[in-house]
Amino acid sequence: GQQVMQIPQYQHVQEGEDFTTYCNSSTTLSNIQWYKQRPGGHPVFLIQLVKSGEVKKQKRLTFQFGEAKKNSSLHITATQTTDVGTYFCAGPIVGGTSYGKLTFGQGTILTVHP
Amino acid sequence: DTGVSQDPRHKITKRGQNVTFRCDPISEHNRLYWYRQTLGQGPEFLTYFQNEAQLEKSRLLSDRFSAERPKGSFSTLEIQRTEQGDSAMYLCASSIDRFLNTEAFFGQGTRLTVV
Repeated sequence: GQQVMQIPQYQHVQEGEDFTTYCNSSTTLSNIQWYKQRPGGHPVFLIQLVKSGEVKKQKRLTFQFGEAKKNSSLHITATQTTDVGTYFCAGPIVGGTSYGKLTFGQGTILTVHP
Repeated sequence: DTGVSQDPRHKITKRGQNVTFRCDPISEHNRLYWYRQTLGQGPEFLTYFQNEAQLEKSRLLSDRFSAERPKGSFSTLEIQRTEQGDSAMYLCASSIDRFLNTEAFFGQGTRLTVV
């Protein structure tokens, strides 16, 4: 079945360092979404990428969608303690009737040391 | 509060008991999803409603699981004869039916512990 893999599983950084998480899908995706889940919280939508090679920025966060639409990355510049949490990528499940059903990666847990 | 609401937030039950969870989506959202999340994993899709119609069920959803959305508004997820393997966070999400828009708004989840 469709698989979405993320690396690394954990990332510990000092405040101010950069952070990158990578997402790879076993199938071509029509779009990819990124979510953030704070410890004890629920996933919160960050962004959706649709076009091949698309790059979007949100302040210190940069999201990329690969040319083949099978991989994506999230880069955070100069991390802050508020960036702590688990970052998930997710893509629509192939073959379903709902455009909204998602396959999630296992997430990258980011800890930031002040 | 206009977000997705789930009740209860926590549920501890004995193995073999039945449990029911409720989800109230964002009012104008016609799509409603149930996901299950275990520790260290991403959410896994369980089932999906468009309005009151249940259109998709994952193979993860055994016969002990049933979900309803009777009037196209709130939804319930019932687990019968709970097993320890059912212990997880059950997340509800909703979205609006718009082409290429798949942004899902998640509720805070119901954490189920089966003892």
